[in-house]
Formats: sequence, structure tokens, C-alpha cells
Amino acid sequence: EPEVTQTPSHQVTQMGQEVILRCVPISNHLYFYWYRQILGQKVEFLVSFYNNEISEKSEIFDDQFSVERPDGSNFTLKIRSTKLEDSAMYFCASRRQGEQYFGPGTRLTVT
Amino acid sequence: QKEVEQNSGPLSVPEGAIASLNCTYSDRGSQSFFWYRQYSGKSPELIMSIYSNGDKEDGRFTAQLNKASQYVSLLIRDSQPSDSATYLCAVNTHNAGNNRKLIWGLGTSLAVNP
Repeated sequence: EPEVTQTPSHQVTQMGQEVILRCVPISNHLYFYWYRQILGQKVEFLVSFYNNEISEKSEIFDDQFSVERPDGSNFTLKIRSTKLEDSAMYFCASRRQGEQYFGPGTRLTVT
Repeated sequence: QKEVEQNSGPLSVPEGAIASLNCTYSDRGSQSFFWYRQYSGKSPELIMSIYSNGDKEDGRFTAQLNKASQYVSLLIRDSQPSDSATYLCAVNTHNAGNNRKLIWGLGTSLAVNP
């Protein structure tokens, strides 16, 4: 069964460094999402992407964040200058119809 | 601010019993409703989706939706220890852009005791 994949599973970085989180959505899906979950808190929407452009972004998704679909399979989230409060699980999701399917997540730790 | 509320639990049930999980939402424009299961340290896993009022059954799981009361629930029959997890309610609104971002509850922690 097709599934969303994400790499790396765990990323440790120093404050101020850039990180790129990678996702491979399910191949026939058209809509892509990034969410994050800080430990013990709700899952939060970051950004949605369709037809090679951002369709909606949350107030969390400020100028430090960007997304890209550099080829036909990958979908990336870049954080330009990480902060301590960016430490969280980052989930990629994709959908074709109504249901969104999630990847295993990347645990980002900013020290 | 659109909100999704769940009782955080923990909800503890004996093996074989029915577990009942509840969720309320604030946005009357919400049109799609989802239940996800999340094991500790893992990603949300889709269990059920429901789009219209009434019940929807899938194996041991039944989702119930009442849009007038802005209420959605999940029943798990014949609960098993492997059902022990956090159950997340997620809701979206079909906007003009077809974005369908999910708004999430905090989740209810379920413990099924052997």
C-alpha cells in the first residue's frame, strides 16, 4: 500500500542553522501539507500546497519557512534560521480526495 | 478562532468493552470529520472519516456525526489492548480554494486494560 515517507526521522541542529525536511507524498495525490506537533500540544497546520504553489499558510508559517516541490516526487520544508521553539515533530501529509495521509514525521530538535 | 475540543482523558476501559470518544467543534461551516489514532512518538493514522449526519461503521469502529449539535464521536467495540493510544479528532471546512486544512483536537488518551 502506498505511503508518505519522510526524511530524516530525527534532525538535531543548532539555533540559527537552516534545516530542510523532506517528504515524498503518495504518488497520485495532488494536495500536500505540512503540520507540526510540539510535545504535548495539538497538531498545528503550517501550510498547504497545490499545483506548485502555496494555497494557504498559517500565522506560524512566517518568512523563516518555505516549501518547495523541486521535482515530481519530493516536497520539502525549509526553516532558514531555526529557533528553540521550532523543536517539534513535523508531519507531511498528502491527499487525493477527502482523507489526508500522514508520513512518519521528522523530530526536529533545536539546541 | 475555530476550535476542536476533546476530553483529554485518560479514558480507561477493560478489554472487550466499548470505548466512547467524543469531540465538539466550533465552526458550523465544517464539512469533513476525521478520527486519527496516534501512538506515542508516532504520526497520526487515519481510522475513520465521516461527512454526513448519522453513523458510519467500519469493523469495530463506528463514527457518529451530529452537525446540529456540532458533535462527532467514535465508538470502539470489543476494545483490545492494542487500541491503547491517543485518539485525535480533526475537522476541516471546504473553502473556495479546496485547501481543506485540518483543525485538530488535543486528543483523548485511551487505555484498554487486559
